[in-house]
Amino acid sequence: DAGVTQSPTHLIKTRGQQVTLRCSPKSGHDTVSWYQQALGQGPQFIFQYYEEEERQRGNFPDRFSGHQFPNYSSELNVNALLLGDSALYLCASSSAGTANTEAFFGQGTRLTVV
Amino acid sequence: AQKITQTQPGMFVQEKEAVTLDCTYDTSDPSYGLFWYKQPSSGEMIFLIYQGSYDQQNATEGRYSLNFQKARKSANLVISASQLGDSAMYFCAMRVPMNRDDKIIFGKGTRLHILP
Repeated sequence: DAGVTQSPTHLIKTRGQQVTLRCSPKSGHDTVSWYQQALGQGPQFIFQYYEEEERQRGNFPDRFSGHQFPNYSSELNVNALLLGDSALYLCASSSAGTANTEAFFGQGTRLTVV
Repeated sequence: AQKITQTQPGMFVQEKEAVTLDCTYDTSDPSYGLFWYKQPSSGEMIFLIYQGSYDQQNATEGRYSLNFQKARKSANLVISASQLGDSAMYFCAMRVPMNRDDKIIFGKGTRLHILP
């Protein structure tokens, strides 16, 4: 059983460009959450998708958008990249509404904006 | 507001000793889950242990145990017989799945160094 998979693992982009990151959740999970982890910090919640809709959002600008597909996989899009967007982007999958199950994380996508 | 606090930015521990990583949390919701994750330099967030707010017993998973003190809102991670491979960042996290507000909140982490 594959866990959470993210692609690509590493990415280098130029300021002003756009980027799309991808995530496939663990089998049986229906909820995907995205996190941004700057160097030396804890992950910060970006948004969460459930039933193909954005269910909630953290304190991130509209340049960050996402999508969830019928097979529960998800994409994170970032427009007009800034140097400060350089970070590790983590995807987590879980089952909706149950506190007693952990969220499984992918290995992350390390984005560098130059 | 929900919050996780980890007050130890870094710790150095001799191999084979036990280590306690501190975590306090804040929430007004009665139902929540507490987690510890390990993050090696590769970046992947590895789940270690879970404690539910209604669980009567402290959670244990192999060498990991969670010292859950609900009244103090404390959820410390104890690693027994530490190993060199335990060197990593450790994050305490909380999940409060109420209605549509279901997300994991992380602390800032503790970097653990195991010394040979």
